[in-house]
Amino acid sequence: KQEVTQIPAALSVPEGENLVLNCSFTDSAIYNLQWFRQDPGKGLTSLLLIQSSQREQTSGRLNASLDKSSGRSTLYIAASQPGDSATYLCAVNGNNDMRFGAGTRLTVKP
Amino acid sequence: GAGVSQTPSNKVTEKGKYVELRCDPISGHTALYWYRQSLGQGPEFLIYFQGTGAADDSGLPNDRFFAVRPEGSVSTLKIQRTERGDSAVYLCASSPLGGQTGELFFGEGSRLTVL
Repeated sequence: KQEVTQIPAALSVPEGENLVLNCSFTDSAIYNLQWFRQDPGKGLTSLLLIQSSQREQTSGRLNASLDKSSGRSTLYIAASQPGDSATYLCAVNGNNDMRFGAGTRLTVKP
Repeated sequence: GAGVSQTPSNKVTEKGKYVELRCDPISGHTALYWYRQSLGQGPEFLIYFQGTGAADDSGLPNDRFFAVRPEGSVSTLKIQRTERGDSAVYLCASSPLGGQTGELFFGEGSRLTVL
């Protein structure tokens, strides 16, 4: 069974810092990996989707990388802002379902 | 609709009662997923539909949980004889392709509280 781990569980940084969130998974036989953002009491908002054949995807200040063979993905956030404060979840798609990590709770202090 | 719609947004019920949660996916999306999320945890997979059929129901915790999608669009998650441990946010997602390549789009969730 696919296990997805996210480190760190929580992160607090001052505004303007660049930061990296980590996601690891145990079964490298995946179709894609998706990063989500979740605000308190809300649903999940898709940030980036990386297909298994891709190495990275970029959207604005966000860059996600995928190393399928080592079972790792990172989400890089450049020039962080207080509005980036949220929980970030990675989800790995294999065998018709998406398995989620527990998330990283990010706080960006003004 | 513009996005995935879930109703009710909040449901409070008593232990032992029957509950239905509804999901209206994005129009044209063939794949539909149900997840359950407890506080401080990531979403936990329950069931996946491709069209009208349940392609994978391995995440349903026991036989009190059942889901249907009779016309390949709206889905209903049904929980019988609710227990306090069923309290969670139930999330629905849809995907234009599903399965191997599709991007998932989530609704806002239905918060279930069993007293």
